[in-house]
Amino acid sequence: EVQLLESGGGLVQPGGSLRLSCAASGFTFGNYAMTWFRQVPGKGLEWVSTLSETGGSTYYSESVKGRFTISRDNSKNTLYLHMSSLRAEDTAVYYCAKCPITGFTSVLSDYWGQGALVTVSS
Amino acid sequence: ETVLTQSPGTLSLSPGERVTLSCRASQSLGRNFLAWYRQKPGQAPRLLIYGASSRATGIPDRFSGSGSGTDFTLTISRLEPEDFAMYFCQQYDISPGTFGQGTKLEIK
Repeated sequence: EVQLLESGGGLVQPGGSLRLSCAASGFTFGNYAMTWFRQVPGKGLEWVSTLSETGGSTYYSESVKGRFTISRDNSKNTLYLHMSSLRAEDTAVYYCAKCPITGFTSVLSDYWGQGALVTVSS
Repeated sequence: ETVLTQSPGTLSLSPGERVTLSCRASQSLGRNFLAWYRQKPGQAPRLLIYGASSRATGIPDRFSGSGSGTDFTLTISRLEPEDFAMYFCQQYDISPGTFGQGTKLEIK
């Protein structure tokens, strides 16, 4: 069974940093691109960042480019999102998600974690 | 970026009814890379349809997708209680991938 479990969320002050982790199991992690999405509670979904299966290609939304860094450790089956210079508008539930197709880097995602809440507030 | 507009915003229906949701793209999706997700309250989205008309693994056949270019639809042939939720379309054809604002299906 595919499982994705996010951790590392919490309350952080504006300008601060936070690192989210996503522990994957139930599939060959290193064969699939992975994506971070976010959602303000009660609102729509927003793509944040995507990383190819080897980690060689990274993609970011304009709203987080230069502030967030996506990475992965395929030996630990873990995806990361390092967030810095955080703003109030970054407050959201952050989901990690798996691309369904090997060798294809896309934001299409067939499995999602349950999410980690990040609150940016003083 | 490609804007997806979903309609209607909210639908009130009864279990057993048939429903069609709409998703319109601001520019043509040449490869028809359009997906639909269902999101129940407090849960993560679940992939229902990809490539405009292909059902994801484990999705029952009461869900069907159609459309091409700029106009896409999701049809649920007979609503089950668990189908009363939010539905989002997503295009992954033109970078950056984008979502529609969602359609809420509520019980009448």
